[in-house]
Amino acid sequence: QQPVQSPQAVILREGEDAVINCSSSKALYSVHWYRQKHGEAPIFLMILLKGGEQKGHDKISASFNEKKQQSSLYLTASQLSYSGTYFCGTEYGTASKLTFGTGTRLQVTL
Amino acid sequence: DTGVSQDPRHKITKRGQNVTFRCDPISEHNRLYWYRQTLGQGPEFLTYFQNEAQLEKSRLLSDRFSAERPKGSFSTLEIQRTEQGDSAMYLCASSRNVAANSPLHFGNGTRLTVT
Repeated sequence: QQPVQSPQAVILREGEDAVINCSSSKALYSVHWYRQKHGEAPIFLMILLKGGEQKGHDKISASFNEKKQQSSLYLTASQLSYSGTYFCGTEYGTASKLTFGTGTRLQVTL
Repeated sequence: DTGVSQDPRHKITKRGQNVTFRCDPISEHNRLYWYRQTLGQGPEFLTYFQNEAQLEKSRLLSDRFSAERPKGSFSTLEIQRTEQGDSAMYLCASSRNVAANSPLHFGNGTRLTVT
């Protein structure tokens, strides 16, 4: 079952912050976040595991609320290079496939 | 780490023809995934392998689609009797281990256009 992302699209000025949400109707085991620029392959950002372990980049962080079955991606002090479409990928059990969300298009302007 | 390689980058075919795509994963990666992506949508799962074993195939996938990963190295995705609805970007990804512990590394994809 495909996770739902919100918002669908967001426009920011450089330096502003953004939050992207990913919600699932099923209990999550792990959540991945990827960014895809137009015409390119998705690039890994981070993984969050059930139990709270987290990996990631410096100005990009994420949370994983197991009870609410959702994850949020936080982009602080956005840069022009942050523009792209962000996808969450969810895993519902150990050793299962990754199911990608509906996507959030982010545009950072000057 | 040379990355995930997909061939061809683009394929234009007439409806009813068969097509085959190839994916070469990162060499030490055990898992290999195939996804399909249409404009404005997230990658849609097709199938995945652990070494040479095909672990799951999407129920949405018709019998016209088949994938192999002989010897647990490269993989091929074949679409028989192509239809216009098959037009999409076909993405291959690989990971070292199960998804919970390992990020997916995607190739640049094969864009299929069925006329």
